[in-house]
Amino acid sequence: SQQGEEDPQALSIQEGENATMNCSYKTSINNLQWYRQNSGRGLVHLILIRSNEREKHSGRLRVTLDTSKKSSSLLITASRAADTASYFCATDSSAGYKLSFGAGTTVTVRA
Amino acid sequence: EAGVAQSPRYKIIEKRQSVAFWCNPISGHATLYWYQQILGQGPKLLIQFQNNGVVDDSQLPKDRFSAERLKGVDSTLKIQPAKLEDSAVYLCASSSDGRGETQYFGPGTRLLVL
Repeated sequence: SQQGEEDPQALSIQEGENATMNCSYKTSINNLQWYRQNSGRGLVHLILIRSNEREKHSGRLRVTLDTSKKSSSLLITASRAADTASYFCATDSSAGYKLSFGAGTTVTVRA
Repeated sequence: EAGVAQSPRYKIIEKRQSVAFWCNPISGHATLYWYQQILGQGPKLLIQFQNNGVVDDSQLPKDRFSAERLKGVDSTLKIQPAKLEDSAVYLCASSSDGRGETQYFGPGTRLLVL
């Protein structure tokens, strides 16, 4: 079963706009990761946030984590056409080190 | 640094046939993972190796799927016999220590079972 659930399932935005997607999970975690997958490719790691962190930045990416609500959000600022991809959250439960992926959010950035 | 290599990239077989996928992880990475990704879903872990030992194979359909990692480097995933529902992308990933840190993914093998 998949631990993380992303919302929305799909998102379409204009180039230059911001994109926000959310991830909810069920059990306690060690960390939460976000990955990107371009069509027909493997996954690329974007950012890892640990359970004792609340916010993390990497370039145009901002991730927040609220362990009390068991949720995380990924914000992509000033989106570009190259950001068109599926975005997955993956949780590493505190009971073990296996990553569980959600079904992903498909982001389309229109030129 | 070379990434995770997988072959073949695409495979089409008929049901009940056999198929094998190969993965070469990033040099020095002790942990290797095989995932199955069905269209429209996230990756599902099939098996995790630490060096050449199995850490987790709880979601591997052992009646038809097998995997090995001889000498703790390359790995092979086999399906025998294949079913229609095995059509998916098979992703290999590796990490340095298998303790929930960043995983590095290969490009995947897209399998179509007819």
